[in-house]
This record gives sequence, structure tokens and C-alpha cells, in this order.
Amino acid sequence: AQSVSQHNHHVILSEAASLELGCNYSYGGTVNLFWYVQYPGQHLQLLLKYFSGDPLVKGIKGFEAEFIKSKFSFNLRKPSVQWSDTAEYFCAVIRRGGGADGLTFGKGTHLIIQP
Amino acid sequence: KAGVTQTPRYLIKTRGQQVTLSCSPISGHRSVSWYQQTPGQGLQFLFEYFSETQRNKGNFPGRFSGRQFSNSRSEMNVSTLELGDSALYLCASSLESIYEQYFGPGTRLTVT
Repeated sequence: AQSVSQHNHHVILSEAASLELGCNYSYGGTVNLFWYVQYPGQHLQLLLKYFSGDPLVKGIKGFEAEFIKSKFSFNLRKPSVQWSDTAEYFCAVIRRGGGADGLTFGKGTHLIIQP
Repeated sequence: KAGVTQTPRYLIKTRGQQVTLSCSPISGHRSVSWYQQTPGQGLQFLFEYFSETQRNKGNFPGRFSGRQFSNSRSEMNVSTLELGDSALYLCASSLESIYEQYFGPGTRLTVT
């Protein structure tokens, strides 16, 4: 079964700082990759996804992620964070060709942006 | 287009009871998945339904079951509730494949 590891459980940054959240997965086959965000009091929202093609994908609100197959990584980045980016971020993976295990999520990273 | 809706939003049950949660997917979506979210285990996949059939299943005991109706609405049932079943139960829908899912607000279940 696949697993997802998010390196940091809590990250605190100041506004305008650059952000990089690490995500590694373990699965030898082909996968689809996702980042979801959960703002305080709101439900999980899809931030961006990678299925195939250009390994650098852009999502909503200025976020982007790079898929590095050789490193089994899908790190999330944003050049300049805002206070409104305070949220819980989840990396997720699903096997292509069946999805028998559903989405496998990392434990999440709680991001706090200080004004 | 309305998002995924879940009812009820909050529920308190006693150990040993059973509970049924409901999920209405986004209009046109035929796949519905269920997840359990707890502080200790995080988000874990329960099962997925497509066209009224269970298509995928996670690693949960048989006390957790579900079904899907012809209008794609889904219900999840947990029998003989245990304290450890206290969690946020999330429903997610997608068009056809399970790959791109949209989540509802969840049902917060507390077992006492």
C-alpha cells in the first residue's frame, strides 16, 4: 500500500516569506498527486493536482508544486505567503488504474502566517 | 453548482448504538467516497461507491458499511459504535473516476 509523508507538522512564517512544504510518497507504480487545503472552519479544498505531463503544476491562489519522480516527491511552494494562507495543508496520492486504496493522505502541515 | 452536502453536521451517540450518515454529491457526480479523519490517524479511506456498487474499499472492519442510491446520494452506516469511532467523517464526490474528488464539510461524530 502507498504511504505519504509530510515533513513538517507545524510551520510558522511571516507574511511575504516564501513557502515550501515537503511531501514524499512511497509507491513504485504510477500515481496521481494532490495538495488539499483546509482553511479554519472550512472543508477540504483541492489546491492543485498532477496527473501527467509538465511536472510543475500551478494551482489556485498562487500555489505551485513540482513532481520529482526520482525522489518520489511533490513539494508545494508559494513565493510570497499571505495571512489568509493560514490553514492545514494535506498532500495526497492515489494509484492510477484502480484507486483501490482511495486517496492516501499525509498527516498534514499546519501553516500559520503571522502578519 | 452546489457542493457536496452532508447531514447531519454533528452527532452524539452512545457506545453500542448504530449511526447513519448521509451524503449528497455534486450534481452529475456518480462516484462517492467516504473518509474518516481523526487526530491520531489522519484521513483514512473507508470506501467508494459508483453506480450503486461498492467499487473500492479501505481497511476498516465490517461494522462500517455504506450504500449508494440511484440518484448517487450515499449513506454510511456504523454499527455497534466504539469510542474510537469518534471522528470527522468526510464524503467526497467525483464525476466518474475516483481520481479528482471534491469534499463535503463532514459529519462530526462523538461516541460517549
